[in-house]
Amino acid sequence: NAGVTQTPKFQVLKTGQSMTLQCAQDMNHEYMSWYRQDPGMGLRLIHYSVGAGITDQGEVPNGYNVSRSTTEDFPLRLLSAAPSQTSVYFCASSSLRDRGYTEAFFGQGTRLTVV
Amino acid sequence: AQKVTQAQTEISVVEKEDVTLDCVYETRDTTYYLFWYKQPPSGELVFLIRRNSFDEQNEISGRYSWNFQKSTSSFNFTITASQVVDSAVYFCALSEADSGTYKYIFGTGTRLKVLA
Repeated sequence: NAGVTQTPKFQVLKTGQSMTLQCAQDMNHEYMSWYRQDPGMGLRLIHYSVGAGITDQGEVPNGYNVSRSTTEDFPLRLLSAAPSQTSVYFCASSSLRDRGYTEAFFGQGTRLTVV
Repeated sequence: AQKVTQAQTEISVVEKEDVTLDCVYETRDTTYYLFWYKQPPSGELVFLIRRNSFDEQNEISGRYSWNFQKSTSSFNFTITASQVVDSAVYFCALSEADSGTYKYIFGTGTRLKVLA
């Protein structure tokens, strides 16, 4: 059981470049989300999705784009990378139970550096 | 608005001491879920506990215990007889259920250092 697979693990981008962080889960989870982790800031929600075709903004959505065409995949696109987007990115998924979400299953994280 | 506050940025204790990590949350929903996660130095996020808003019973799992008090909007985490392996960043999280948004919001985390 692979769980949540997130790629790549490391990435260096030049300012202005675009790229897509991939996230896939094989647990048939309804909820998927992207977080960024910065020192002293905890995990901040970028975008999330409660099902295929449904996405919404989190706390820090600017500069990022998402889509959810299938239950399994939830890619995060950086449209024009900026040094402020240097961070560790985590993808997570959860399942609905008892009208709430279960624990989040996290990918291994992507360490992104924008120079 | 949905919010989680972990006021303790960093705590240092000596091995075998007890330590409590504080978590205070804000929500307008009557149904919500609270979580604790551990992030060891290796970086992965490890789930510790899930608690719904209707269950205020305290929970104990080995050296870990959790105290949920709706009256003070707190969900505190105590490690008894701490060990060096407990050194990690601990996150509290909140997921609201009434509003239908189901956003999962994390606090800023508390870094725990357990010294030998």
